[in-house]
Amino acid sequence: DGGITQSPKYLFRKEGQNVTLSCEQNLNHDAMYWYRQDPGQGLRLIYYSQIVNDFQKGDIAEGYSVSREKKESFPLTVTSAQKNPTAFYLCASSIDDRGFPNNEQFFGPGTRLTVL
Amino acid sequence: AQSVAQPEDQVNVAEGNPLTVKCTYSVSGNPYLFWYVQYPNRGLQFLLKYITGDNLVKGSYGFEAEFNKSQTSFHLKKPSALVSDSALYFCAVRDIPLPIYGNNRLAFGKGNQVVVIP
Repeated sequence: DGGITQSPKYLFRKEGQNVTLSCEQNLNHDAMYWYRQDPGQGLRLIYYSQIVNDFQKGDIAEGYSVSREKKESFPLTVTSAQKNPTAFYLCASSIDDRGFPNNEQFFGPGTRLTVL
Repeated sequence: AQSVAQPEDQVNVAEGNPLTVKCTYSVSGNPYLFWYVQYPNRGLQFLLKYITGDNLVKGSYGFEAEFNKSQTSFHLKKPSALVSDSALYFCAVRDIPLPIYGNNRLAFGKGNQVVVIP
C-alpha cells in the first residue's frame, strides 16, 4: 500500500447524499484509477486518468464523478445517482501507461463505503 | 476485449503442500499478465508479471507463474504453502494490440480465495 493513501478507511452515507473519497499518491505516477470491488465480482473500473486534467470513463462510471487537477490527487465522488454504492473502493496508480503498458498498478488500502 | 477467467472460487491446501491458483485469459493481441494478492480489508499487492521472454516468472514471497501461450493460461504456483498465504488472489491481463497507444486497460478476474490449512 505504500505511496498511495486513501481516506477515510470507512465511510457511512445516508441515501441521497453525495460523498467524496480521497486518493493521493507520492509515487510521481501519471496514471491513476478507481475500482469498485464487490464480493465475488472482482474489480470493476470506474474511471481512470492517464494525465492531469484528463480522465476517461471505465466500465461502471454511471453515478460517479472524478477530477484530476493535480498529478498526485484523484478524488472520486459517489453521487446520489449511484443506485447501489455500498462497496469497497480501491484507488491505484501506475507509471505512464500510454507508453509503458507493461507496468504494474500500485493500490491504496481502500475505502469501505456503506449506505445507511 | 480482454478477459480473465479464474475458474475456482476457493482453493484449499494443507500447509507445506504445493499451491496452484489457475488463470486463463483471452486477448486479441499479445498479453501482459499480472498476479496480485489481497489480504482482508486491504488493497491489492503486486506479486509478479509476465511481459515477454522466459515463460516461468518468479515473484514475491516465493510465488511463481508459468505462461502457456497455447493453453492461454498463467497459473500461479508456490512449492510449499504457508498459513500466511491465505488470501484472495487476482489474475489480470492487459491486451496490447497494435498500435500500442490507446485504450489498454487492465482486466481482472473475479479472484480466488486461498485457504491454507495448518
